[in-house]
This record gives sequence, C-alpha cells and structure tokens, in this order.
Amino acid sequence: GDSVTQMEGPVTLSEEAFLTINCTYTATGYPSLFWYVQYPGEGLQLLLKATKADDKGSNKGFEATYRKETTSFHLEKGSVQVSDSAVYFCALSEQFGNEKLTFGTGTRLTIIP
Amino acid sequence: NAGVTQTPKFRVLKTGQSMTLLCAQDMNHEYMYWYRQDPGMGLRLIHYSVGEGTTAKGEVPDGYNVSRLKKQNFLLGLESAAPSQTSVYFCASRRDSSWMHTEAFFGQGTRLTVV
Repeated sequence: GDSVTQMEGPVTLSEEAFLTINCTYTATGYPSLFWYVQYPGEGLQLLLKATKADDKGSNKGFEATYRKETTSFHLEKGSVQVSDSAVYFCALSEQFGNEKLTFGTGTRLTIIP
Repeated sequence: NAGVTQTPKFRVLKTGQSMTLLCAQDMNHEYMYWYRQDPGMGLRLIHYSVGEGTTAKGEVPDGYNVSRLKKQNFLLGLESAAPSQTSVYFCASRRDSSWMHTEAFFGQGTRLTVV
C-alpha cells in the first residue's frame, strides 16, 4: 500500500537557519504530493502541493519539488522564522482510486530566536 | 465562510459511554474523512466517505461507526468508549478526486479523553 516516510523529529533550529525536512513516498503511478502545517492548537492547513513530476510547490518561502526518480518531496526554506514553529506533515493522494489521503508521522519544528 | 467545523472541541468520557462527533462543511465537498492523531503516529484514517450515503473503512476503524446522511455532515460515533480511544480527532473534506481539487481542508480538532 501507499506510505509516506518523514524524517524523525523534533527539529530545532536557530532563526534564519536553512531548513530541510525530508519526505519520501511509496505509491503506484503518479500521486499528488502535499505538505501540511499544524500550528499549536489548530487543525492542519495546506502549505503547498505538487501534482506531477518535477513540479515545484511553493508558499510562504517554503518550497518542495516532486522528484519521481527518487520518490521524494523534501520541504525547504532558506531562512526560518520563529513563527514557522509547527508540526509539518507530508502527504500523498493516489493517482488511481485516490479517495484517501495518506500522511507521514509529522515533524515537529521549533525555531529559537 | 466557516469551512470545516467540528463539534465538540473537547470532551471527557467515562469508559463504556457513547458519544457522537459532528463534522460539518459548507463547501459542497464530496469527500469527507475522520482521522485520529496520536503522538508519534501522525494522522491515521478511521473512516471516510466519497459522497452522501456512502462510507468506507480506513486504517483504524475498529470501535467507531460513521454516517453520512447529508452531504454536508459526517458523524463519527463511539458506541462504548475505551481509554485507547483517547486522542485528537480531525475531520477533513475535499471537493472531489480531480487533479485540480485534491487538497483537503481540516477542522480544528476534537480532543477526547476517555477515563
């Protein structure tokens, strides 16, 4: 079945540091890929998405590129802020029979001033 | 412009009690989902629905039942609550399965404690 594997957390960085959160997936065909963010006490919000190979999703300074050859969708940001502290989830939706959304376990990110 | 609304936001149950969690969406979405979120395990799919009157089992359906009598509402029921069902429950909806409308919108969650 489909699965999403994220790097283990928690991750702690200093403000203005470079961020990478790794995400790899297992799926048949060409799934759609997503990053969701969950701020403290809130539900998940879509951060960015990509629906085909080599697409780059971007939002709020975050980027992720859909790499079919490495089955990866790593999240990056060049300079993080304290307000980026949250839990980040990688997710996929199958290309065929895509009723379900499959999530990774989440990566807790803390940014210190 | 409410989006996805979950009721209640918090609840404490005694073992063996029953309750129903309500999810309502005002976006005319076809697909609706119930997830539970537990530390270190991310989101796990309990049940989902691809349209009014339909339901299907997800990854962890045991101990839960669902109903989708109206398109805008998706109910999650616990008939006899157990401490293992202590969790944060999230409802989500998607417009449909098309490539352009694949992202899900989430409610703010229900924190359930079973003692």
